[in-house]
Amino acid sequence: GAGVSQSPSNKVTEKGKDVELRCDPISGHTALYWYRQSLGQGLEFLIYFQGNSAPDKSGLPSDRFSAERTGGSVSTLTIQRTQQEDSAVYLCASSLAWFGYTFGSGTRLTVV
Amino acid sequence: AQTVTQSQPEMSVQEAETVTLSCTYDTSENNYYLFWYKQPPSRQMILVIRQEAYKQQNATENRFSVNFQKAAKSFSLKISDSQLGDTAMYFCAFMKRSYGGSQGNLIFGKGTKLSVKP
Repeated sequence: GAGVSQSPSNKVTEKGKDVELRCDPISGHTALYWYRQSLGQGLEFLIYFQGNSAPDKSGLPSDRFSAERTGGSVSTLTIQRTQQEDSAVYLCASSLAWFGYTFGSGTRLTVV
Repeated sequence: AQTVTQSQPEMSVQEAETVTLSCTYDTSENNYYLFWYKQPPSRQMILVIRQEAYKQQNATENRFSVNFQKAAKSFSLKISDSQLGDTAMYFCAFMKRSYGGSQGNLIFGKGTKLSVKP
């Protein structure tokens, strides 16, 4: 597609439920990144994909967080048993080279 | 580990004036890239300008320019002729240069909230 697409745009969920966030990168971009942005904070790196493999998962905050990427394209970030501290904007970006990332508009997750 | 520091949480400027946003970083790497991103209320992160560390010449994109001081590890952004549409959060970011076709992750500062006043 023309840009990075993320869905849903907003998600409200009850504490303890599982959620799936989707990212559809720019066609042909081999690298895909997930970041988390909490209120008033910078961007916290979560995970990075090169193709379908994830060479760097170092930012995932707990084992409740997982991500996968299929066909070198769409990625899903899954948060199990959501907690209130998971409330944040989750941003996805894709990249072809060092030129910098192209970001999506993010998913605002609110855990109530 | 690399760190990026933006020491100005908030700034304001009058329309048509010039403003400079500060950024410093810490790294032991010699080859890397630096970026400024803009995040308006729409949440979308927009690339403003990028700089390759091995280039001494400061990058310029229309009204946006940087002052890159490699020895001092400083990378400030100057916005000339500020416009109301420049109101946004501005993030400085660092990326280590990777080889073999892979890309590294961007490391961001905490951002500076810029308000342009009419």
